[in-house]
Amino acid sequence: NAGVMQNPRHLVRRRGQEARLRCSPMKGHSHVYWYRQLPEEGLKFMVYLQKENIIDESGMPKERFSAEFPKEGPSILRIQQVVRGDSAAYFCASSPRQTLDYGYTFGSGTRLTVV
Amino acid sequence: DQQVKQNSPSLSVQEGRISILNCDYTNSMFDYFLWYKKYPAEGPTFLISISSIKDKNEDGRFTVFLNKSAKHLSLHIVPSQPGDSAVYFCAASAVINSGGSNYKLTFGKGTLLTVNP
Repeated sequence: NAGVMQNPRHLVRRRGQEARLRCSPMKGHSHVYWYRQLPEEGLKFMVYLQKENIIDESGMPKERFSAEFPKEGPSILRIQQVVRGDSAAYFCASSPRQTLDYGYTFGSGTRLTVV
Repeated sequence: DQQVKQNSPSLSVQEGRISILNCDYTNSMFDYFLWYKKYPAEGPTFLISISSIKDKNEDGRFTVFLNKSAKHLSLHIVPSQPGDSAVYFCAASAVINSGGSNYKLTFGKGTLLTVNP
């Protein structure tokens, strides 16, 4: 019974490159959430997706960031033309339903470093 | 505008004693509160939660207390163990902020707990 799987665990990109972060939810979970943790900060909500639908992207920066959760395959968080300020830990979480009865299950995160 | 505040960046306690982690919030619409524990290089792990209709919830060594009038909650760990050493995040959600559900969490910056043997 694997948990939420995120890959890669570490990702280094040069400024201007694209970063793709992948998240496979727990088996039976159809709700996926992405959070970002900047250095010395708490986690901040970015986006909530269900299969093939973006439900809430109110926390996503307006430019360069996009997310998808296709019918088949993992959820992808894509950052185009990365800048140093995008360096952070990106966490994905999943849940079997929309409500937070017992909290999300988070993955181990992807640590993005932009050089 | 930090809506969830953990004013103590760190806390050190002796093994076997009580650890008390504090959290304050400013948004009176928050109605569900959670504590997460995080080890380095891992994702946060859910510990315990409390709804705003309660003032206490207990699970084993962990108890969360909610004081709505003071907009304050605390996590008590008794007895503390070295394995409890981690960063603890307080988080809150509001049904109204999530269109009728409560999936959107607002996190504090965390408190690093160190339990000394």
